[in-house]
Amino acid sequence: DAMVIQNPRYQVTQFGKPVTLSCSQTLNHNVMYWYQQKSSQAPKLLFHYYDKDFNNEADTPDNFQSRRPNTSFCFLDIRSPGLGDAAMYLCATSRDAWDRDNEQFFGPGTRLTVL
Amino acid sequence: GNSVTQMEGPVTLSEEAFLTINCTYTATGYPSLFWYVQYPGEGLQLLLKATKADDKGSNKGFEATYRKETTSFHLEKGSVQVSDSAVYFCALRGTSYGKLTFGQGTILTVHP
Repeated sequence: DAMVIQNPRYQVTQFGKPVTLSCSQTLNHNVMYWYQQKSSQAPKLLFHYYDKDFNNEADTPDNFQSRRPNTSFCFLDIRSPGLGDAAMYLCATSRDAWDRDNEQFFGPGTRLTVL
Repeated sequence: GNSVTQMEGPVTLSEEAFLTINCTYTATGYPSLFWYVQYPGEGLQLLLKATKADDKGSNKGFEATYRKETTSFHLEKGSVQVSDSAVYFCALRGTSYGKLTFGQGTILTVHP
């Protein structure tokens, strides 16, 4: 089945130690999104890629970076995780950014713990 | 900017009860509206959607109608099951690169 895969499902890191979360998709979608979801809150968009074009949300901290080496893969890098970065990180894809009928397909998420 | 407001939760129901989760929105232009469901420990799954006024989205017994005059997209189900226990998010997709704006989520617990 075509899907969005996130690895690992659970990630533990230490305060200040860089960490990378991975997302891959077999849907061949043009757009990939990263959301941060803190406990009992709504997902919040961090950034997205439309093909190779990177788009950062205005309030995304500089501590968060992303890479998309090819259509299938997208990475979220947290350069110096703080305790406040502990959250579920959700990757999503969409075939197109402009078609109002397009839905986003979500991966299962990576739960990040910062010690 | 765009915003979505969901009814306060959590919601606790007995099996076969009627469910309504209210959702209202503020947006410029003509957004598309979605309901997503999140089961414990999992990502979000699309439950249903509506892309224009008066459209009704439906799936798995759930329904929601896009009401432009009241800027609402309330989720309903006639008879809930224990397996419906999850967090439900209302969301809108504006005209900006498909960005989703979510409501705060409503926790639904259904008891046998």
